Amino acid sequence: QVQLVESGGGLVKPGGSLRLSCAASGFTFSDYYMSWIRQAPGKGLEWVSYISNSGGTIYYADSVKGRFTVSRDNAKNSLYLQMNSLRAEDTAVYYCAREGYQTYYLDYWGQGTLVTVSS
Amino acid sequence: IQLTQSPSSLSASVGDRVTITCRASQGISNFIGWYQQKPGKAPKLLIYAASTLQSGVPSRFSGSGSGTDFTLTISSLQPEDSATYHCQQLNSYRTFGQGTKVEIK
Repeated sequence: QVQLVESGGGLVKPGGSLRLSCAASGFTFSDYYMSWIRQAPGKGLEWVSYISNSGGTIYYADSVKGRFTVSRDNAKNSLYLQMNSLRAEDTAVYYCAREGYQTYYLDYWGQGTLVTVSS
Repeated sequence: IQLTQSPSSLSASVGDRVTITCRASQGISNFIGWYQQKPGKAPKLLIYAASTLQSGVPSRFSGSGSGTDFTLTISSLQPEDSATYHCQQLNSYRTFGQGTKVEIK
């Protein structure tokens, strides 16, 4: 069965960095686009970034552009989000999600990992 | 592209017909999906391409619309439908609406 497991969240000071990972299993990872989505406490969902199956196409939300970098390692079935220059407003649960094959809707989600940016 | 959902929250009785609206700031054809999220859980895809029911989703859920105005309808509200519902557009990058919380009276 499809599984997505995020890791790497935690407490970090403003201006600091963190790298999130998402381990995928149960499907051919290299066939699928992947996305990162976040949800601040008590707030709605915010799309952060997506990466094509080959990694050749990448987009970011304006709120993270220039600070966050998404990447993937298809040999390791893993997705990553490098977060630099973190701000208090980046505090959120971060989800990785699979975009459906040729539909691009988010058909499987991980359980999320909490990132807290605070001094 | 901005998505505006209405209402922000609603309370309805079991068996009621519930409709949630999502309006896009510009035309997005039918590139919209709907997700259900229960507290402490990841969202779940209900409907994609405006009106296509995701596999395994009960048929009481339906979606409609094209262009800028879209609706998610629950034909007969069940206790397990208490959740927050989010719309998402794919026409230009990706954007979510702010969510609609559905409570059972």
